[in-house]
Amino acid sequence: DAGVIQSPRHEVTEMGQEVTLRCKPISGHNSLFWYRQTMMRGLELLIYFNNNVPIDDSGMPEDRFSAKMPNASFSTLKIQPSEPRDSAVYFCASRGGATTGELFFGEGSRLTVL
Amino acid sequence: AQKVTQAQTEISVVEKEDVTLDCVYETRDTTYYLFWYKQPPSGELVFLIRRNSFDEQNEISGRYSWNFQKSTSSFNFTITASQVVDSAVYFCALFNSNSGYALNFGKGTSLLVTP
Repeated sequence: DAGVIQSPRHEVTEMGQEVTLRCKPISGHNSLFWYRQTMMRGLELLIYFNNNVPIDDSGMPEDRFSAKMPNASFSTLKIQPSEPRDSAVYFCASRGGATTGELFFGEGSRLTVL
Repeated sequence: AQKVTQAQTEISVVEKEDVTLDCVYETRDTTYYLFWYKQPPSGELVFLIRRNSFDEQNEISGRYSWNFQKSTSSFNFTITASQVVDSAVYFCALFNSNSGYALNFGKGTSLLVTP
């Protein structure tokens, strides 16, 4: 079975450019999470979707960040405009059952903003 | 508030040594789940184990074992006879099914196993 699929794996861009990260959750999973990992702050939850609906985006750093989940098999995280401090690894994860808690992570998208 | 503390930032051991990674958590809830994830140098996050708050039985899986003690709010992870392939960052995490919806991760412990 395919796991969580993220693209691109690596992205290098210049400050001010728009960045779009993509995620395909595991088929049948109804919850999707975007996390950001940095050395300073560790793994931080950015936003959580349940049945394609954003439940809590309180972790989204600022208005430059936005996330969508137009259907059960696809989600995007967009940063516009990007800044050097956005450089991090962005992970997408999905979960099948609300009471289980176990998250399955993608391989991450490493973003470098110059 | 929920909090996960992994006090050990980095640990270095020689191959075949046993090593214990500490995890202390805080929660006011009686129902919760604890997790360990492994992040090898390749970067992916690999699920290792999940325990619920009603099951304090220790678990062993090969060279890995977990010691869950509610009295001390700890969920420690021991690797017996460590190997170089065990080198990774290990994360402890807490999930609460009532008031939480995502995993709250500790800062991680970086384990280096040298030959």
